Amino acid sequence: SQTIHQWPATLVQPVGSPLSLECTVEGTSNPNLYWYRQAAGRGLQLLFYSVGIGQISSEVPQNLSASRPQDRQFILSSKKLLLSDSGFYLCAWSVQLGSYNEQFFGPGTRLTVL
Amino acid sequence: KNQVEQSPQSLIILEGKNCTLQCNYTVSPFSNLRWYKQDTGRGPVSLTIMTFSENTKSNGRYTATLDADTKQSSLHITASQLSDSASYICVVSGEYGNKLVFGAGTILRVKS
Repeated sequence: SQTIHQWPATLVQPVGSPLSLECTVEGTSNPNLYWYRQAAGRGLQLLFYSVGIGQISSEVPQNLSASRPQDRQFILSSKKLLLSDSGFYLCAWSVQLGSYNEQFFGPGTRLTVL
Repeated sequence: KNQVEQSPQSLIILEGKNCTLQCNYTVSPFSNLRWYKQDTGRGPVSLTIMTFSENTKSNGRYTATLDADTKQSSLHITASQLSDSASYICVVSGEYGNKLVFGAGTILRVKS
């Protein structure tokens, strides 16, 4: 069966510090991978998605970047965190099931920037 | 603009009661509509997915309906349990499922 891991689960970082969040998927090959951010009281916002190794699409201009060094590894990074980067970050992977594309979410990382 | 609006924003019900959550969308073209359950501090988990041709789908005590003409969906929860307390998110896909438009969610609290 497929599983998706994210770490760390929680993170408190000072403004201006770097960031690296990791997501790995097990039990599937060549998945589409996604990074979302969820702010309190708001819907999930798609940040990045990847259809293959080294292929990253950015949805919104921001202080963050993403990389996919391996087929089942997706990394979210920042060189200098801003207060506005605080939020709940979710990684997801997807597979085509019949006529639709099912997405499965990881457990999330709660990031607080102070 | 592609949007998904959910109502109510939050809801408190007694254990054992039924409730219905609403979702209106303006996403076009429409591919499918999903309802997710998200426990506090966890990732969303899929409850149902409906395509254009489906107008109802059930998953245990959860029943989702879809009216593609009026662009409305509802999620009905029967005989609520304390474990149903969570945020319920309506998500609409307009482009082969890769790009999803998320509603802000309805926070449901079931109390004994």
